[in-house]
Amino acid sequence: QKEVEQNSGPLSVPEGAIASLNCTYSDRGSQSFFWYRQYSGKSPELIMSIYSNGDKEDGRFTAQLNKASQYVSLLIRDSQPSDSATYLCAVSTGANSKLTFGKGITLSVRP
Amino acid sequence: GAGVSQSPSNKVTEKGKDVELRCDPISGHTALYWYRQSLGQGLEFLIYFQGNSAPDKSGLPSDRFSAERTGGSVSTLTIQRTQQEDSAVYLCASSFGLHYEQYFGPGTRLTVT
Repeated sequence: QKEVEQNSGPLSVPEGAIASLNCTYSDRGSQSFFWYRQYSGKSPELIMSIYSNGDKEDGRFTAQLNKASQYVSLLIRDSQPSDSATYLCAVSTGANSKLTFGKGITLSVRP
Repeated sequence: GAGVSQSPSNKVTEKGKDVELRCDPISGHTALYWYRQSLGQGLEFLIYFQGNSAPDKSGLPSDRFSAERTGGSVSTLTIQRTQQEDSAVYLCASSFGLHYEQYFGPGTRLTVT
């Protein structure tokens, strides 16, 4: 069973702080890695994709990938109350590149 | 540009009835996926279409579930003889192809009474 594990939450940070979200995956053949944000009652929204080892930055978001350790993370700098949501780690594997999701972590940013 | 669209947004049906859920992917996207999100199971893969190739049905939970994709674009997910455990949000996603970003539609919330 190919698995994606995320830290159990919830995670609460003050406004302006850095939020750090972590994810590990079991399938070494995984090729693509994504972070989705999901607001309550809404569908997942893609916020970051990463395909090779290292860091990828997009605005306040930085994704980090370490394939040797099978580890993906998402850093959110200068966290805002509007960042409060559930964050889903997703890994693409196999010939159909289906996404396997972690259970998600709920982030709360306190004003 | 237009994103993935799904209809209906909500569907309430009686146990034993058949339902059809529709997905219209982003124009130009050749890959189309169906997922299901429920409280107990999280987000799980159901079926995958790529171009005109035979679909990958490996995630379908039972033979009551089927899907088709016409003309390489619109897809319909059909659930026959619905059961209460089929209640969930059914999500469609599309992408340019293998291992590219997948973009989700707004989903269809199915409630089986």
